Amino acid sequence: QSALTQPPSASGSPGQSVTISCTGTSSDIDVSWYQQHPGKAPKLMIYEVDKRPSGVPDRFSASKSGNTASLTVSGLQAGDEADYYCTSNGGDNRFYVFGSGTTVTVL
Amino acid sequence: EAQLVESGGGLAQPGGSLRLSCAASGFTFSSYEMNWVRQAPGKGLEWLSYITESGPFTQYADSVRGRFTISRDNAKNSLYLQMTSLRVEDTATYFCAREKPSCRGDCLELWGQGTLVTVSS
Repeated sequence: QSALTQPPSASGSPGQSVTISCTGTSSDIDVSWYQQHPGKAPKLMIYEVDKRPSGVPDRFSASKSGNTASLTVSGLQAGDEADYYCTSNGGDNRFYVFGSGTTVTVL
Repeated sequence: EAQLVESGGGLAQPGGSLRLSCAASGFTFSSYEMNWVRQAPGKGLEWLSYITESGPFTQYADSVRGRFTISRDNAKNSLYLQMTSLRVEDTATYFCAREKPSCRGDCLELWGQGTLVTVSS
């Protein structure tokens, strides 16, 4: 059982926004988000709660409040259809912990 | 172009061993912390192990501690994962991943394509 809980699925129509939650993060711990297309390696989309690596569109944004982090994808595109994972320091001697993952579907 | 390429996966019997390799190119390998992450078929990501730039410090997930050993050879630009006492539940695609320097938390900015390990009798 993952220490970070995500909804199993989320969806939206093209052009709309979708927000994914990640519950169970410590208030003083940084959160990262990864995107994974089927059969591909994960891709870092957000780090240190709300920073985007070079090349990640600003349609991807993130925030954190208390023990819940959130990733928002605005202006949904077909290529955004993927699995998204949050991750943070696991605490209790667990170095890193991935969330359970959320499948985003573009309707 | 920076690249990571895993190899060494395949079929192993329960209780057996395998050694995975991750070849780095296009960047100064010795300057980066490295990790192994796996994904069982149809399941989510699971972090397994971490090693510092020069290798003295390592960390492991509870699920593999005592069975798996991470190491690196900076002269060969290579990362390794020695897996022993393999279990059926170790069946997964194994990824190596490079950490973003000076990043707080988990910032795996470069990933290999993965290598499939199947544990079955």
